[in-house]
Amino acid sequence: DSGVTQTPKHLITATGQRVTLRCSPRSGDLSVYWYQQSLDQGLQFLIHYYNGEERAKGNILERFSAQQFPDLHSELNLSSLELGDSALYFCASSARQGPYEQYFGPGTRLTVT
Amino acid sequence: AQSVTQPDIHITVSEGASLELRCNYSYGATPYLFWYVQSPGQGLQLLLKYFSGDTLVQGIKGFEAEFKRSQSSFNLRKPSVHWSDAAEYFCAVGAYNQGGKLIFGQGTELSVKP
Repeated sequence: DSGVTQTPKHLITATGQRVTLRCSPRSGDLSVYWYQQSLDQGLQFLIHYYNGEERAKGNILERFSAQQFPDLHSELNLSSLELGDSALYFCASSARQGPYEQYFGPGTRLTVT
Repeated sequence: AQSVTQPDIHITVSEGASLELRCNYSYGATPYLFWYVQSPGQGLQLLLKYFSGDTLVQGIKGFEAEFKRSQSSFNLRKPSVHWSDAAEYFCAVGAYNQGGKLIFGQGTELSVKP
């Protein structure tokens, strides 16, 4: 158990809908990263927050957004969902900024039908 | 651009045999390197990391990895594989100038024969 929690574990929804994925980092970790894992793209970095502020963006679509709240939990919002958004979404946390070890949650499997 | 290559998509080894999973990276500066393992339906678990110093690093579950700057490699090894080691293994490099994001290889799936 990494100490990172993600909810829900599974999510099935229809095209055009909007969903919110939630992540709670390890106790004391200020950095939260979001990644998408799909068969064709592998593991891709989406976005990084540190202590409530956005620090870096990766291959994140404009339909996707995220935020980190004062209690350090983070939410990833996916809207206008398409079939191609079906993937595993991971949250990871780290104690510091920078290229240090990250601890991953169990992921949310999103299926768009 | 930084990248990580894992040349082997799938490897099968017999239980008790030794294992080496290959990883090559492309990164301009001193890399921060990681190996993660993912069991089916699970998240990624950190096996080991290399930041600096001794180029042979020890990790959990009996794994070790060796950093070779001249070959831009960070291969993962285990002297004797157990059936429970069957999983997917990912090599990653930490991008210092990009917020610390991890850049992952495509993964190597390990199967263990009894």
